[in-house]
Amino acid sequence: DAGVTQSPTHLIKTRGQQVTLRCSPKSGHDTVSWYQQALGQGPQFIFQYYEEEERQRGNFPDRFSGHQFPNYSSELNVNALLLGDSALYLCASSLAGGRDTEAFFGQGTRLTVV
Amino acid sequence: QKEVEQDPGPLSVPEGAIVSLNCTYSNSAFQYFMWYRQYSRKGPELLMYTYSSGNKEDGRFTAQVDKSSKYISLFIRDSQPSDSATYLCAMRKNQGGSEKLVFGKGTKLTVNP
Repeated sequence: DAGVTQSPTHLIKTRGQQVTLRCSPKSGHDTVSWYQQALGQGPQFIFQYYEEEERQRGNFPDRFSGHQFPNYSSELNVNALLLGDSALYLCASSLAGGRDTEAFFGQGTRLTVV
Repeated sequence: QKEVEQDPGPLSVPEGAIVSLNCTYSNSAFQYFMWYRQYSRKGPELLMYTYSSGNKEDGRFTAQVDKSSKYISLFIRDSQPSDSATYLCAMRKNQGGSEKLVFGKGTKLTVNP
């Protein structure tokens, strides 16, 4: 049973460019959440997708947007990249209706903006 | 004041030591508490999960929650070099997979052989 998979693992972009990160949830999970983890910090919640809609959003600007597909996979898009967007981007999957299900994280995509 | 406070360390201990990691929080609505372990350049993996106050033990790991003090702890007994990682506390208000997690900064632990 494959866990949460993210692609690519590493990415280098130039300031002002746009980037798309991808996530496939753990089998049986229907909810995908995205987190940003800056160096030396804990993960910060960006947003969550369920039934192809954004259900919750953290304190991130509109430059951050996402999408969820019918197969529950998800994309995170960041426009007009800033140097401060350099971080490890983590995808977590879970089951929305589960009583005690917890979030399982992928290995992350390390984004470097130069 | 941040919702979740965690001393980032670093913490360095000899092999076999008992390790104590802690977090405090300010939001009394948090009911579910987790500890994640994160190896360098990897995603977090769930170690322990507890609901409300009390203790939970799993092998060498014990998680404690004191809701009255808004304080949670993770104890590692007989620490091993393979325990060297960053430990993240996380918490949320409601049950189920739809609730976002609020994390501490993480404590970097090194266990020396």
